[in-house]
Amino acid sequence: DTAVSQTPKYLVTQMGNDKSIKCEQNLGHDTMYWYKQDSKKFLKIMFSYNNKELIINETVPNRFSPKSPDKAHLNLHINSLELGDSAVYFCASSQGRHTGELFFGEGSRLTVL
Amino acid sequence: DQQVKQNSPSLSVQEGRISILNCDYTNSMFDYFLWYKKYPAEGPTFLISISSIKDKNEDGRFTVFLNKSAKHLSLHIVPSQPGDSAVYFCAASESNTGKLIFGQGTTLQVKP
Repeated sequence: DTAVSQTPKYLVTQMGNDKSIKCEQNLGHDTMYWYKQDSKKFLKIMFSYNNKELIINETVPNRFSPKSPDKAHLNLHINSLELGDSAVYFCASSQGRHTGELFFGEGSRLTVL
Repeated sequence: DQQVKQNSPSLSVQEGRISILNCDYTNSMFDYFLWYKKYPAEGPTFLISISSIKDKNEDGRFTVFLNKSAKHLSLHIVPSQPGDSAVYFCAASESNTGKLIFGQGTTLQVKP
């Protein structure tokens, strides 16, 4: 039974399209995150929600919009996709908003053509 | 400006020997440090952590050392096993920010 699950795992799309990645966790955690792993392999935090409240919003283009319908779900919507958005996006969760151990999903590889 | 750096992209060791993975950081406000392990096509998984009030934490074959004055930490794996072959990420946080900052990872290959 997967603890943090993301869909889809792979996404190939054209520039200018809009796409969403969904994330769900069944660990009962109250904090969820989106991280981006770029071509240089750095994992960089994008957003964090605690009990559906946005608590971290890094310098990310407005084309990226997270949405947390409840504390078990955190979705990522990306408008007007650009080539530079190609990356692996990881969802994660933790208990508490002060970072300790994060539980990651398997990642969603987005390729923009 | 990368606050957490792993300057060795890869490391190869023989099975049974020690693996030492290094990590440097620049932010003196970091007070909690973690190591994550990642296999291909999987997400990172937590391995071991250390608080800034300690200089060593051990868990089985894994030991993390923290040198605050040098802003350096290292992960020792003894003895190394082929199943340890993976990408290892160092991460650091300043507890009141809620942000975990990752290095770029070191790929460890343990040869049988």
